[in-house]
Amino acid sequence: DAGVIQSPRHEVTEMGQEVTLRCKPISGHNSLFWYRQTMMRGLELLIYFNNNVPIDDSGMPEDRFSAKMPNASFSTLKIQPSEPRDSAVYFCASSLQGPGNTIYFGEGSWLTVV
Amino acid sequence: GENVEQHPSTLSVQEGDSAVIKCTYSDSASNYFPWYKQELGKGPQLIIDIRSNVGEKKDQRIAVTLNKTAKHFSLHITETQPEDSAVYFCAVYSSASKIIFGSGTRLSIRP
Repeated sequence: DAGVIQSPRHEVTEMGQEVTLRCKPISGHNSLFWYRQTMMRGLELLIYFNNNVPIDDSGMPEDRFSAKMPNASFSTLKIQPSEPRDSAVYFCASSLQGPGNTIYFGEGSWLTVV
Repeated sequence: GENVEQHPSTLSVQEGDSAVIKCTYSDSASNYFPWYKQELGKGPQLIIDIRSNVGEKKDQRIAVTLNKTAKHFSLHITETQPEDSAVYFCAVYSSASKIIFGSGTRLSIRP
């Protein structure tokens, strides 16, 4: 069974450009999470969707970040405009019925903003 | 809100020896405690978890113990092998319906 699929795996972009990260959760999972991982701040939850509806977006850094989940099998995380401090690994993850159950992570999208 | 502290941040053990990583938490209503392993260049993967109605759980060389009174839980890896080298994260599912991750422990297994 396919796991969580993220694209792109690696992205290098110039400051000010728009970045779009994509995620396909595990089929049948109704909860989707976007995390950011850096050495300084560890694993941070950015946003959590349940049944395609954003439940907790308190971790979204600022208005430059936005996330959508138009259907049960696809989500995007967009950064516009990107800044060097956005450089991090962004993980998408999914679970059955919320964060109180096993969360399955994708392989991550490694973003470098120069 | 929930606060999760994980120790140590780095751990080096001789192959074949045991490794123990400990996490403490603050919300006494927390009821789910998973452990994740992250290998280089990959996403974290669940290796074992425990719920608050159980004090210990084992899966081959890996075990987790939970002390609800003291609000701490530990990961135990016995007979360590080179493939155990990774970063390990504890996590706590709190009463606020949030999962909070610890800061991670980098485990190195010396041959």
